[in-house]
Amino acid sequence: QSVLTQPPSVSEAPRQRVTISCSGSSSNIGNNAVNWYQQLPGKAPKLLIYYDDLLPSGVSDRFSGSKSGTSASLAISGLQSEDEADYYCAAWDDSLNGSWVFGGGTKLTVL
Amino acid sequence: QVQLVQSGAEVKKPGASVKVSCKASGYTFTSYDINWVRQATGQGLEWMGWMNPNSGNTGYAQKFQGRVTMTRNTSISTAYMELSSLRSEDTAVYYCARECGSGTKNWFDPWGQGTLVTVSS
Repeated sequence: QSVLTQPPSVSEAPRQRVTISCSGSSSNIGNNAVNWYQQLPGKAPKLLIYYDDLLPSGVSDRFSGSKSGTSASLAISGLQSEDEADYYCAAWDDSLNGSWVFGGGTKLTVL
Repeated sequence: QVQLVQSGAEVKKPGASVKVSCKASGYTFTSYDINWVRQATGQGLEWMGWMNPNSGNTGYAQKFQGRVTMTRNTSISTAYMELSSLRSEDTAVYYCARECGSGTKNWFDPWGQGTLVTVSS
């Protein structure tokens, strides 16, 4: 049971737009930045979005992030087959001694 | 380029310990915390803890307290994660990741390639 809640899977056709949600609480998303990671099959996670909505150098601007209250979203526009991957949200959680928490991951299928 | 290269796959028996290394290059090793995250097959990401390579200070997830030890050798820019009293549920890929940013608005970039640890009798 992950601290952050994501849908297990989403699917959409090529060239379309899809969003992935990430729900948390006041101790994590509500008070700290959200990051998104992309994990291609058999590969290590890769930073996709940091500090809620910033794109690292080299990441396509088809990816965008947003946050409101205790929820965050990742949007992918102009879907391509190479976007098929698992996507994870993450945030620092202030409860207890503090810890990083992740969503359970969302598998994106490009139909 | 900034890179983290981890040690190779390990097979261990229940009750044993495993020590995974993570060698950093392309940046000043002591300037960024190193975190460890694991992933069981077909499962999500699970944070294990962090280490400050400059001070050696550490912080562990409650679940792993007493079983995990994170250390470093600054002379070779390498971080280590040792997990003891292994059980079958510890079978997973273990990743190291550099923590960037400041305060609590940080992120992990890059990640190591991962080390598969298999616990089996």
